[in-house]
Amino acid sequence: DTAVSQTPKYLVTQMGNDKSIKCEQNLGHDTMYWYKQDSKKFLKIMFSYNNKELIINETVPNRFSPKSPDKAHLNLHINSLELGDSAVYFCASSQDGLAGSDTQYFGPGTRLTVL
Amino acid sequence: AQSVTQLDSHVSVSEGTPVLLRCNYSSSYSPSLFWYVQHPNKGLQLLLKYTSAATLVKGINGFEAEFKKSETSFHLTKPSAHMSDAAEYFCVVSDRGRNAGNMLTFGGGTRLMVKP
Repeated sequence: DTAVSQTPKYLVTQMGNDKSIKCEQNLGHDTMYWYKQDSKKFLKIMFSYNNKELIINETVPNRFSPKSPDKAHLNLHINSLELGDSAVYFCASSQDGLAGSDTQYFGPGTRLTVL
Repeated sequence: AQSVTQLDSHVSVSEGTPVLLRCNYSSSYSPSLFWYVQHPNKGLQLLLKYTSAATLVKGINGFEAEFKKSETSFHLTKPSAHMSDAAEYFCVVSDRGRNAGNMLTFGGGTRLMVKP
């Protein structure tokens, strides 16, 4: 009964490839997020979707394209992967995402390694 | 704009002794503040959150934090450390984003080490 799940857990790929990471939440939340955690453990938001609508896009290269087929899913597609994309990517969800007090629940992370 | 500074990148304590992880924030609004914990190779788990109710917030596993507006601080404490507390801890501030989204800004993290 995992609340926020991501697949795959590990992803190793060559530079220039295109890859996707999937995220699903079964909490009935309206808002989902993608975060990137770099090698120094620094976490930064990338995107946020509320009811399938993009509400936060934090100056992420347009090689990154989130897709939300429904409010329980938010997938991250990355084109033309670069070495600097190597990181751990976390998906999260929250009840409505429009209140500052809203708690975000995180998935287990996907460790992406670009060779 | 909002920001979070965790004053110590590493903290080492002995098992059974108190834990203090320090956090200072800045925010243009009345912030919500959170502490998350990340165990090795795991996701982030919420420890506790402050949302303008009581300034002393109790969380899971015996942790608590006190919101001090005058000092813009939200330090995390625990009376007695346990070996299982060894992890990375993140102080987080929440604000309304430019597009009315709920933006979390993370501190740089504090690695807590617990010695037997």
